[in-house]
Amino acid sequence: DTAVSQTPKYLVTQMGNDKSIKCEQNLGHDTMYWYKQDSKKFLKIMFSYNNKELIINETVPNRFSPKSPDKAHLNLHINSLELGDSAVYFCASSQEPSTEAFFGQGTRLTVV
Amino acid sequence: AQSVTQLDSHVSVSEGTPVLLRCNYSSSYSPSLFWYVQHPNKGLQLLLKYTSAATLVKGINGFEAEFKKSETSFHLTKPSAHMSDAAEYFCVVSDRDDKIIFGKGTRLHILP
Repeated sequence: DTAVSQTPKYLVTQMGNDKSIKCEQNLGHDTMYWYKQDSKKFLKIMFSYNNKELIINETVPNRFSPKSPDKAHLNLHINSLELGDSAVYFCASSQEPSTEAFFGQGTRLTVV
Repeated sequence: AQSVTQLDSHVSVSEGTPVLLRCNYSSSYSPSLFWYVQHPNKGLQLLLKYTSAATLVKGINGFEAEFKKSETSFHLTKPSAHMSDAAEYFCVVSDRDDKIIFGKGTRLHILP
């Protein structure tokens, strides 16, 4: 069983579209994250939720909106996609904030 | 404010020789420190973590790291490199503020 799963694995879309990436974890963790990895492999945290509440919200455009319907899910919705949004997005979870995180396989988003 | 610096963006070693990947951190508090590995087109996997217990931490696949407070370092080592160790390695720091900071990564190349 996959501990942290994200869908889709690949996403190609045109500029201006709205898209969502889903993430689910079956580890019973309380904290979930979204990271963005750019073309230079640099990883940066975008959001963190603990028990469905937002605890970290780094400086990202407000076109990005996380949604956590329950502790096991943290979806990422992106409005009005731009070329610069092309990246690999990783979902992760941990039992508590700042403890070891388990990562999904990533979603490669390409905006054309 | 916390930060993490991986001193080398690329490291090349011959198979069977020791590996050293360097990481320095700064943190206002006693940090938790992690090393993650990312194989090509894969998600991230935890190698090892330091959370204020033993300063020498053993991880998976023969890797270990030593926390040196006086040097603010958490270098990753392995006595003998294997071809399968070729990957990107990330040093990560987190502290009481639940901020999680990734280093910029070190690409490890293994020469036959």
